[in-house]
Amino acid sequence: EAGVVQSPRYKIIEKKQPVAFWCNPISGHNTLYWYRQNLGQGPELLIRYENEEAVDDSQLPKDRFSAERLKGVDSTLKIQPAELGDSAVYLCASSLRAGQYNEQFFGPGTRLTVL
Amino acid sequence: GDSVTQMEGPVTLSEEAFLTINCTYTATGYPSLFWYVQYPGEGLQPLLKATKADDKGSNKGFEATYRKETTSFHLEKGSVQVSDSAVYFCALELTDKLIFGTGTRLQVFP
Repeated sequence: EAGVVQSPRYKIIEKKQPVAFWCNPISGHNTLYWYRQNLGQGPELLIRYENEEAVDDSQLPKDRFSAERLKGVDSTLKIQPAELGDSAVYLCASSLRAGQYNEQFFGPGTRLTVL
Repeated sequence: GDSVTQMEGPVTLSEEAFLTINCTYTATGYPSLFWYVQYPGEGLQPLLKATKADDKGSNKGFEATYRKETTSFHLEKGSVQVSDSAVYFCALELTDKLIFGTGTRLQVFP
């Protein structure tokens, strides 16, 4: 079974430039998550989707971050414009559905460096 | 707020040594508890879980027991291998949200 796929794996941009990350979850997983992981820290949730609906985006900085999950499968996370503090690893995860009995499976992440 | 605290790493052990990685949590409700592992160059993977007090999660020789009285979920393994070298994250889940600790790097030498 294929795991969560993310691209690109690495991205280097200058501040104020836009950037986008793509995620393809495990087939059949209805719930999709985007996390940000700063160096030496654990992942922190940015947004959670149930199918196409964003059900928890309370931690997403909406002034510059946006996300979409068209057709309830693939998802894209965008930053525009990027700031120096956005340098981090952006992780996508999926689970069959949200809840305490469903483990989340993570992709390898996209490491973003903002210069 | 809800949080997870892990012992700082790196933890350096010789092969076949006993492993303990401490994890304590603070939560307003009754969370589920998880250990995730990240091998070099790979994504986070679920290792084990426990959903209520006194439950023991186990997988691949690793164990952790949900201790409500001490709000702990320490990870243990009786005999580590070089292939166990990775970063281990303790996490709690409440209201469909995972909250992670900062991770503990384990290095096992032959």
